[in-house]
Amino acid sequence: DADVTQTPRNRITKTGKRIMLECSQTKGHDRMYWYRQDPGLGLRLIYYSFDVKDINKGEISDGYSVSRQAQAKFSLSLESAIPNQTALYFCATSGPEQGYGYTFGSGTRLTVV
Amino acid sequence: GIQVEQSPPDLILQEGANSTLRCNFSDSVNNLQWFHQNPWGQLINLFYIPSGTKQNGRLSATTVATERYSLLYISSSQTTDSGVYFCAVWRTDKLIFGTGTRLQVFP
Repeated sequence: DADVTQTPRNRITKTGKRIMLECSQTKGHDRMYWYRQDPGLGLRLIYYSFDVKDINKGEISDGYSVSRQAQAKFSLSLESAIPNQTALYFCATSGPEQGYGYTFGSGTRLTVV
Repeated sequence: GIQVEQSPPDLILQEGANSTLRCNFSDSVNNLQWFHQNPWGQLINLFYIPSGTKQNGRLSATTVATERYSLLYISSSQTTDSGVYFCAVWRTDKLIFGTGTRLQVFP
């Protein structure tokens, strides 16, 4: 099994719908992150969490919310999806020190029509 | 916020050629990493390199933190090196990514 698993891998949804992207990890790390990738813009941080009771906004949190259900699970929700949220979404996890074991999931390709 | 710029944005090579990718950052950083995103989208950590030089096979990286840049060297390129290379800098426990260099290696 992959160290970081994202579901679904691909999703097409309609404008205005609520959608949840899920992430689980088996690395035993406390730190988890959600990024989105747009062509030509690299990866931008949406939300991050350093433990189960800790949630922090990243660069582009508007229109998104997260839930840290357990050490191993971190989900991202779009309450009312809009077309400009069409992107590739990545979950990642890392150890307590910078650069330690930074591992990405395989990504979720989301299309909002 | 901090700016992370990578050059060139696109690079096309023939198999066997060498290349240098550059990452400039606009402010002091705690640390820096290089990642490779393969054509299937998977992101792989290549180097964690706050300063100095590291080598891993045909790849090596050098960071000069005082001059705010890092270089990634790819020698004897192979088609499997194709993809996008990102540098990312650490700022207060957050990783800030550059816009990437897209590399295509042809046989």
